[in-house]
Amino acid sequence: AQSVTQPDIHITVSEGASLELRCNYSYGATPYLFWYVQSPGQGLQLLLKYFSGDTLVQGIKGFEAEFKRSQSSFNLRKPSVHWSDAAEYFCAVGAAYGGSQGNLIFGKGTKLSVKP
Amino acid sequence: ETGVTQTPRHLVMGMTNKKSLKCEQHLGHNAMYWYKQSAKKPLELMFVYNFKEQTENNSVPSRFSPECPNSSHLFLHLHTLQPEDSALYLCASSQNAQGRAEAFFGQGTRLTVV
Repeated sequence: AQSVTQPDIHITVSEGASLELRCNYSYGATPYLFWYVQSPGQGLQLLLKYFSGDTLVQGIKGFEAEFKRSQSSFNLRKPSVHWSDAAEYFCAVGAAYGGSQGNLIFGKGTKLSVKP
Repeated sequence: ETGVTQTPRHLVMGMTNKKSLKCEQHLGHNAMYWYKQSAKKPLELMFVYNFKEQTENNSVPSRFSPECPNSSHLFLHLHTLQPEDSALYLCASSQNAQGRAEAFFGQGTRLTVV
């Protein structure tokens, strides 16, 4: 079955430090992969997506993610975190058409806190 | 602004009330979704509509009743809810219900059942 695992529930980093949020997926074919961000009390906003081609994808707000097929991973990175990056981050895989989970399967999320 | 608008943003209702949540998208999308987001739980997909037809109902209790009159509007009718139904309800839309279609989310309705 298709699934997404975000092993870190909560991460705290200092402002200006680098960030890596982990995401592992289980999917039988080449997946469509997404990272979303959710600020408190808000909906989810797409940061970036991977469909094919270059395995390093750039997104908004200075984020990037690298698809590693051999590790079934799609980790999100940012070289220097800003206080405004404090939010919850969700990794998602695009399911097959008509899947019982709709078109996206979400991980449980990683909450990011930023220390001044 | 994502092009998906949800109203109301906040709702407090008693267990015997009937209320409705509204979602509207101006993106020309053909698929719309209701998600439930509770504290410390993953996003739960509730309903999927593709070209106005309900394609999925993930074992959602009948006290939640969706309605999709056209591709731009989606409602969630609520009646005789329980306190455990208190959550953030998110609406989303995508071009279609295929896996590569990016989902656009509304800001959600924070529902409190008292």
